[in-house]
Amino acid sequence: EAGVAQSPRYKIIEKRQSVAFWCNPISGHATLYWYQQILGQGPKLLIQFQNNGVVDDSQLPKDRFSAERLKGVDSTLKIQPAKLEDSAVYLCASSLGAGPYEQYFGPGTRLTVT
Amino acid sequence: QKEVEQNSGPLSVPEGAIASLNCTYSDRVSQSFFWYRQYSGKSPELIMSIYSNGDKEDGRFTAQLNKASQYVSLLIRDSQPSDSATYLCAVNVIGGGADGLTFGKGTHLIIQP
Repeated sequence: EAGVAQSPRYKIIEKRQSVAFWCNPISGHATLYWYQQILGQGPKLLIQFQNNGVVDDSQLPKDRFSAERLKGVDSTLKIQPAKLEDSAVYLCASSLGAGPYEQYFGPGTRLTVT
Repeated sequence: QKEVEQNSGPLSVPEGAIASLNCTYSDRVSQSFFWYRQYSGKSPELIMSIYSNGDKEDGRFTAQLNKASQYVSLLIRDSQPSDSATYLCAVNVIGGGADGLTFGKGTHLIIQP
C-alpha cells in the first residue's frame, strides 16, 4: 500500500514570496491533516479536512495560509506572503476517518524562508 | 489549551537494556494516545497506539496508559542502536470530528553500543 505522498521535498524562497505544497493521502483515507514542525518542536496541527470539508482550522494563520481539498483526495497548502518564521517542515498526514484511527505521515516538505 | 509534556533528554541507554520514555498530558478528555519515532531529517513514524488503561505490547515495544494519572509511557526492550531517535508522544480527543494530534516536543533517545 502506497503511503502519503508530498511534493516538493525541499523549497527555498525569499520572504514575501508565495509557496504551495501538495499532498496525496493513502488511498481510501477520508481525513487529511496538515502539520507544521519547527526544528526542535513536535508537529503542530494547522488544518484538518474530512473528505473535502474543513473540520478544524483554528490554528491556521489565515492571513497568510490557505488550504484546499477540492475533490476529497489530494490537498494543497499555500503560504502567501511567507515570513522568516514560516521556515519549518510541513507534514501531511491521513487517516481512515475522524475518530479512533491512526494517522500516518508523509515525508514532509522542508521550507526555508530567507 | 491541551499540553503534552516530555523530557527532551537526551536519554542514554546501553544496548540490550530497557529504554523507558514518559509523557504526561493536561487534557482529561484525551482519549487516544500515540507514540511516533522520528529519525533526524525524517517524518514521524507510528510505533504504537493505545486507547484504554493498561499495557499494550507489540514486539519489543510496550505502551502503558494511566488515564487517572494522565500519564502514558513507552518501554523498548532489548534496545538496539537503530532505536536511537526522537520519540514523540501525541494525544487527541475523538468525537465531534476534530481529532488533530497534540504532540510533545519529543525525547531524544541514544542507544549506546
